[in-house]
Amino acid sequence: DVKVTQSSRYLVKRTGEKVFLECVQDMDHENMFWYRQDPGLGLRLIYFSYDVKMKEKGDIPEGYSVSREKKERFSLILESASTNQTSMYLCASSSDRGGNYGYTFGSGTRLTVV
Amino acid sequence: KQEVTQIPAALSVPEGENLVLNCSFTDSAIYNLQWFRQDPGKGLTSLLLIQSSQREQTSGRLNASLDKSSGRSTLYIAASQPGDSATYLCAVRRRGSQGNLIFGKGTKLSVKP
Repeated sequence: DVKVTQSSRYLVKRTGEKVFLECVQDMDHENMFWYRQDPGLGLRLIYFSYDVKMKEKGDIPEGYSVSREKKERFSLILESASTNQTSMYLCASSSDRGGNYGYTFGSGTRLTVV
Repeated sequence: KQEVTQIPAALSVPEGENLVLNCSFTDSAIYNLQWFRQDPGKGLTSLLLIQSSQREQTSGRLNASLDKSSGRSTLYIAASQPGDSATYLCAVRRRGSQGNLIFGKGTKLSVKP
């Protein structure tokens, strides 16, 4: 089974800190995604990447950046954390090879910015 | 712009009941549709994936159907159990995109013993 691992389940950070959220997948998927999930707003796409060193903005990229130096790892960076970035962050991966185009999600990181 | 709607937002049923969760989408040009389950505070677990050329998929007590022309999908859960209590999310992958999923806001299911 494909596994998507997010490094932290819970994080508490201070306003203005630089925050790194890490995501690693173990099935050689070319596509990786970062979503945030908020009550009443559902899941919203922040950034995605379809290859190493490639990145594309999603629907809400402001205040975030990403890094994909290796195929298996996709990092989300909050350059200067703010309280409105308190949220659940979900990483996902998928592949367009072999006819199975489903997504696999990690277990999420609950980030609180104080 | 693709929009995905799930009705109802919440549902409470007694154990043993068969139930149907609904998902509708505005643009029929989809690549596939995926149903997920999410337990409180956790990530998403994939339940069923239906390609655009398929009409339904089954896994155990779950059956998902897809009617692209009407922009609808249903998730049927047979003989519901308290362990089925969770939020169920439907998501469509748009054609021509790099794989971006558009999610509904989910149906929160509670199965009472």
